[in-house]
Amino acid sequence: GAGVSQSPSNKVTEKGKDVELRCDPISGHTALYWYRQSLGQGLEFLIYFQGNSAPDKSGLPSDRFSAERTGGSVSTLTIQRTQQEDSAVYLCASSQMPPGQGESGNTIYFGEGSWLTVV
Amino acid sequence: KQEVTQIPAALSVPEGENLVLNCSFTDSAIYNLQWFRQDPGKGLTSLLLIQSSQREQTSGRLNASLDKSSGRSTLYIAASQPGDSATYLCAVKALVEKLTFGTGTRLTIIP
Repeated sequence: GAGVSQSPSNKVTEKGKDVELRCDPISGHTALYWYRQSLGQGLEFLIYFQGNSAPDKSGLPSDRFSAERTGGSVSTLTIQRTQQEDSAVYLCASSQMPPGQGESGNTIYFGEGSWLTVV
Repeated sequence: KQEVTQIPAALSVPEGENLVLNCSFTDSAIYNLQWFRQDPGKGLTSLLLIQSSQREQTSGRLNASLDKSSGRSTLYIAASQPGDSATYLCAVKALVEKLTFGTGTRLTIIP
């Protein structure tokens, strides 16, 4: 697609329910990132994918959070048993250049985000 | 652990003025630095990417500089316009692939 696409754009869920957030990166981009931005806070790194593997998942805040990527394209971020502190906008980004290929890396493009509210 | 700081946290200037936003980072071993803008309720839009080997990048009225040894970058906006009002974020990419973001500068251009 023309840009990074995320769905749903807005989600209100009850505490304790599971949610799935989807990210469709720019076609041909091998690197995919998930970030979280809470109200009034900076961006918090969650996980990074290179192809279908996740070499860095150090930012996932708890074992309730998981993410996968299939076919080197679409990624889903799953939050189980949601809590109110999970309320945030979840941003997905992609870039063309994988790491370790000499150049420093390419521009990273962000989607519009999925706004999650846990009530 | 890389830490990125942006000063000031908020800035208001009259339309037409030139302005500078600052970004500092603690670990100079970076691959690149990227400036983004974020409009309320929106995602991030990339403005400029500076590779570690570069000193500056320009796009239209925007100019970003990088001094890797001192851990600093500036974003210069010339002839500011009300449409420039947004939050500006800088982010550094270090040895690991992830970007580390600053907390941003909220810019308001007063017509």
